[in-house]
Amino acid sequence: SQTIHQWPATLVQPVGSPLSLECTVEGTSNPNLYWYRQAAGRGLQLLFYSVGIGQISSEVPQNLSASRPQDRQFILSSKKLLLSDSGFYLCAWSGRDRQDNEQFFGPGTRLTVL
Amino acid sequence: AQSVTQLDSQVPVFEEAPVELRCNYSSSVSVYLFWYVQYPNQGLQLLLKYLSGSTLVKGINGFEAEFNKSQTSFHLRKPSVHISDTAEYFCAVSVRSNYQLIWGAGTKLIIKP
Repeated sequence: SQTIHQWPATLVQPVGSPLSLECTVEGTSNPNLYWYRQAAGRGLQLLFYSVGIGQISSEVPQNLSASRPQDRQFILSSKKLLLSDSGFYLCAWSGRDRQDNEQFFGPGTRLTVL
Repeated sequence: AQSVTQLDSQVPVFEEAPVELRCNYSSSVSVYLFWYVQYPNQGLQLLLKYLSGSTLVKGINGFEAEFNKSQTSFHLRKPSVHISDTAEYFCAVSVRSNYQLIWGAGTKLIIKP
């Protein structure tokens, strides 16, 4: 069966510090990968998605970036965090051969920027 | 372009009472429809989905939803809620050949004892 991991689970970082969140998927190959953010009191915001190694599409221009160095690894980064980057970050995957785009979510990372 | 509207940001309901969470969508093409649930500080979990066929879809935890094409709705229902149903519920749509899900803003289900 497929599983998706995210780490760390929680993170407290000062403003201006760098960020690296990691997501890995097991039990499937060639997945589509997604990064979402949930800010306090707000819904799901799609940040990035990837349909293959090195292929990243950005949905929201900001100080975050994403990379996909391996087929089942998706990394969210920032060089300098802002207060507004605080939130709950979710990674998700969907099967490349599925037409319905059902997405499977990881447990999330709670980021607090102070 | 597709869009999803969840009209209620919060729905308070007494334990063991029925509940309906509303979802309306707009699309010029056929869509797939989903309901996800998010418990506090957790990721999202699929409750149910409509792809085709019977318009009444049954999901996990006693939830069901009905696809109404003429009203472009996909409302989620449960005949009797429990305290464990306290969560946020998200409606989403997708179309074939598009990699994304279009999400509603979410509805928080608040169960009153």
